[in-house]
Amino acid sequence: SYVLTQPPSVSVAPGKTARITCGGNNIGSKSVHWYQQKPGQAPVLVIYYDSDRPSGIPERFSGSNSGNTATLTISRVEAGDEADYYCQVWDSSSDHPGYVFGTGTKVTVL
Amino acid sequence: EVQLVESGGGLVKPGGSLRLSCAASGFTFSSYSMNWVRQAPGKGLEWVSSISSSSSYIYYADSVKGRFTISRDNAKNSLYLQMNSLRAEDTAVYYCARSKGLGKYYFDYWGQGTLVTVSS
Repeated sequence: SYVLTQPPSVSVAPGKTARITCGGNNIGSKSVHWYQQKPGQAPVLVIYYDSDRPSGIPERFSGSNSGNTATLTISRVEAGDEADYYCQVWDSSSDHPGYVFGTGTKVTVL
Repeated sequence: EVQLVESGGGLVKPGGSLRLSCAASGFTFSSYSMNWVRQAPGKGLEWVSSISSSSSYIYYADSVKGRFTISRDNAKNSLYLQMNSLRAEDTAVYYCARSKGLGKYYFDYWGQGTLVTVSS
């Protein structure tokens, strides 16, 4: 089955840039979506189709996808960005197609 | 305003059954695919099952295939997950989520989740 690998944690100082990677075999050929989840809350979509932002999501959130790595970038990080982040793709390569979530990355604002 | 409200969670013994519901409002339910995603305590997100708008296409994660059944009632704006032969590892918060379709589509709205605990 398809596997998406994320770093368990990323630490960043306020005002700096956080980059969260999502590794998968030829992930550049897939559409990647990113979700933010704060403690005790449901996930919220922050990036879809690699780099599009839903309405209401700050421009500080951006995404890219190429080769074997997709990246979520959070610029000018704020305390409110502290959360878990998950990437997601659709895997149609196996006999049992389905959605796959990444392992998740906890972003800590120092 | 789009709202998804899950219900039906609770404590169940191993081998038991439970039926989750997701009540949808604020959008044309019959035009959207629907999905179930779960999250075990302290763990990451795990996709469980998806169903297309007209129930023509249904997909399951290998971990639940043969034990869980997803269904929907477009007349009642409701999504369901029938869970049988429950195991301790099925303990999780179960979320329903909306998507425009299946495959490349994203989950744009999520419910607040319902907790399922499988324990003797």
